[in-house]
Amino acid sequence: GAGVSQTPSNKVTEKGKYVELRCDPISGHTALYWYRQSLGQGPEFLIYFQGTGAADDSGLPNDRFFAVRPEGSVSTLKIQRTERGDSAVYLCASSLGSGATGEQFFGPGTRLTVL
Amino acid sequence: AQTVTQSQPEMSVQEAETVTLSCTYDTSESDYYLFWYKQPPSRQMILVIRQEAYKQQNATENRFSVNFQKAAKSFSLKISDSQLGDAAMYFCAYRGFMEYGNKLVFGAGTILRVKS
Repeated sequence: GAGVSQTPSNKVTEKGKYVELRCDPISGHTALYWYRQSLGQGPEFLIYFQGTGAADDSGLPNDRFFAVRPEGSVSTLKIQRTERGDSAVYLCASSLGSGATGEQFFGPGTRLTVL
Repeated sequence: AQTVTQSQPEMSVQEAETVTLSCTYDTSESDYYLFWYKQPPSRQMILVIRQEAYKQQNATENRFSVNFQKAAKSFSLKISDSQLGDAAMYFCAYRGFMEYGNKLVFGAGTILRVKS
């Protein structure tokens, strides 16, 4: 079956612009996570969805970042007024459940470059 | 807050030899999970091995094994009979044993180079 997919693979934008990054989780996975991976670093947690609701958004760096999952499947990460410091790879992961044993499966990420 | 530290930015190993990647972590929880992920240049994070903190036996997956020292909060990965395809970035990660959620906390990673 298909894994987690993310689009676009790469996104180049200018400072101050708005961007949307999309994540298609594995079918049937109820939990969805967004992580941000800066160059040379490990991924950092941004937000977690259980179904349609954001159960934990403690990792969002500021109010320019927002994510939705309206139907409990596809999720969109939205970044307003982009800054050069937002340049990173944005990874999405999904899991069958949110319990401790739920293995997270990762997508290939979207590389965002803010000029 | 939990933290994960990987003190080796880069490691090299000769093909067919054995290499060990180090990881330490800090937590006040007694139950948790630890993971090693592999990230090749394609950026796809691949789970290599996992360890439940309540299990004393070290996890093993084919050529990959861990040395889990709970008291020392140490979790190293041993790769035996290294292959060229093992070359990648390796991340150690922690996840709490909460009933709900369970975000991963990653270390900074170790680049593994395999020489032929």
